[in-house]
Amino acid sequence: QKEVEQNSGPLSVPEGAIASLNCTYSDRVSQSFFWYRQYSGKSPELIMSIYSNGDKEDGRFTAQLNKASQYVSLLIRDSQPSDSATYLCAVGYTGGFKTIFGAGTRLFVKA
Amino acid sequence: NAGVTQTPKFQVLKTGQSMTLQCAQDMNHNSMYWYRQDPGMGLRLIYYSASEGTTDKGEVPNGYNVSRLNKREFSLRLESAAPSQTSVYFCASSEATGGTQETQYFGPGTRLLVL
Repeated sequence: QKEVEQNSGPLSVPEGAIASLNCTYSDRVSQSFFWYRQYSGKSPELIMSIYSNGDKEDGRFTAQLNKASQYVSLLIRDSQPSDSATYLCAVGYTGGFKTIFGAGTRLFVKA
Repeated sequence: NAGVTQTPKFQVLKTGQSMTLQCAQDMNHNSMYWYRQDPGMGLRLIYYSASEGTTDKGEVPNGYNVSRLNKREFSLRLESAAPSQTSVYFCASSEATGGTQETQYFGPGTRLLVL
């Protein structure tokens, strides 16, 4: 059974701080990794994708992947109240069409 | 481009009734997916279609059927609704062709209540 685990939160950070969201996965053949943001009552939308070990930066967002530790994280710098949402970690598997989603971490950014 | 569209947005059913959720995408994607989202459980895959003419079961297929009508459209049918099927249903599509999973684009969701 492939699993993706996230801390459900809520994670509360002050405006301007760094928010750190973490995710672990169980299957070593995982190949692609995604972070989706979901506002309350809305559908998920992609924030970042990462396919190889290391860091990937896009604006205020940095995704970090460590395949040896089966760990992927998302850092949000200079957090804004508009970043308040649920963040879903998703893992795709080699040769397949299935993506497994974590249950999500709720983030609150306090103004 | 509309992206991924879903109908209806909301639906209330009585136990035992049937209904079909419709999904269409205009991004020329090969792969399409149906998920359900329940509180605290994230997104769970019901069925997916890797290409026109093919469908496969996901994690939670029981009680559902699907049809990939053409490359654009992928429908989800509940033949005899049960209260356990109360959920938010999302359709998604991606460019995935089997080698590597790609970004999925989600529709706005259908909120279903089964009484």
